[in-house]
Amino acid sequence: GAVVSQHPSWVICKSGTSVKIECRSLDFQATTMFWYRQFPKQSLMLMATSNEGSKATYEQGVEKDKFLINHASLTLSTLTVTSAHPEDSSFYICSARDLGGEETQYFGPGTRLLVL
Amino acid sequence: GQNIDQPTEMTATEGAIVQINCTYQTSGFNGLFWYQQHAGEAPTFLSYNVLDGLEEKGRFSSFLSRSKGYSYLLLKELQMKDSASYLCAVRGNSNYQLIWGAGTKLIIKP
Repeated sequence: GAVVSQHPSWVICKSGTSVKIECRSLDFQATTMFWYRQFPKQSLMLMATSNEGSKATYEQGVEKDKFLINHASLTLSTLTVTSAHPEDSSFYICSARDLGGEETQYFGPGTRLLVL
Repeated sequence: GQNIDQPTEMTATEGAIVQINCTYQTSGFNGLFWYQQHAGEAPTFLSYNVLDGLEEKGRFSSFLSRSKGYSYLLLKELQMKDSASYLCAVRGNSNYQLIWGAGTKLIIKP
């Protein structure tokens, strides 16, 4: 299957700082990427859909000024958690839609964010 | 509304067979996916069904009945490493998003 990378895999930061997470499709082009958040023992929660060259579409209840998404190229989307607070601590996972075949979503390995 | 139901937890024995069911009610249907997620890791793609019937991939098979809004994932010759959560997801109409079930935690016992 297609490969999606995420960087960093772990982040520990102080409250009030901003954290940028990168999501890259390594062997395919992804016009659409998705950002999810997952709390322990809970299901995936879609935060936003990132479209190359246009503004991201945010799910209800997700603050677009808090979670900035940029999809500047066909292989890279970034999520910036601005002014992070302890309640933002979570597992953030991106996925990229492979346009070939079944248009499957392939997931990156995830980024664990801990805000102190 | 849109809804995907799957059992919260199942237990099975190493070497046996287990079937994880998923029922869905969505506005539109453009395919059903099964993913495996080990604790602390991101989901990995297992299977995709868009037409009725059974798709077999090694020890794993997935079945779909669109008229019944029903799918199952069948795992054969269970191994301890199959202990994980199994997520059912449906692609509806809009924006290629997936609608996710809450996942079924599968516990394999020796």
